[in-house]
Amino acid sequence: EAQVTQNPRYLITVTGKKLTVTCSQNMNHEYMSWYRQDPGLGLRQIYYSMNVEVTDKGDVPEGYKVSRKEKRNFPLILESPSPNQTSLYFCASHRLSYNEQFFGPGTRLTVL
Amino acid sequence: RKEVEQDPGPFNVPEGATVAFNCTYSNSASQSFFWYRQDCRKEPKLLMSVYSSGNEDGRFTAQLNRASQYISLLIRDSKLSDSATYLCVVTGTASKLTFGTGTRLQVTL
Repeated sequence: EAQVTQNPRYLITVTGKKLTVTCSQNMNHEYMSWYRQDPGLGLRQIYYSMNVEVTDKGDVPEGYKVSRKEKRNFPLILESPSPNQTSLYFCASHRLSYNEQFFGPGTRLTVL
Repeated sequence: RKEVEQDPGPFNVPEGATVAFNCTYSNSASQSFFWYRQDCRKEPKLLMSVYSSGNEDGRFTAQLNRASQYISLLIRDSKLSDSATYLCVVTGTASKLTFGTGTRLQVTL
């Protein structure tokens, strides 16, 4: 089954404790993104990658890091989480030739 | 001005009604347009692409007006199961998708 998976689905952590949210897709898509969704602000792109070893900042990259060592994986790293990073996070992927995005199920992160 | 703007709603309509949403975009160079549906706390899913000639999928019709820079979604014969948030999505350069904040639809008995 074609899909995007994210883990964990839910996470409660404390300020400053490094965490990683994993994302994996099995559709051989070149393009992968991370979004955060907050009430009234919609989906905002954090980082994106157009291929292996190619990553770039989206609209709200501060406080986040990503890597793309393999085509299928695109982890999101919060080196020192803060309460303003409490949000619902989505990973997504699509082919460069067609922009239909496939989303993961989301990760609900709470930073205390 | 936001890149993509939608009326947040909610639109409360009875079953069987016809409802329409509009979405405006600011970048005249935008290339692709989509409507996504998002159920509460779930991931967005593609509802339909929007083509210059307009397109229809069952009860759903999407249209694009490049001159006025807006896209629309029409839902006929609304069902309870249509209750969701509808996201307008616009693609610019480098395959970057920009999402509107969504329009919430509530269909009632």
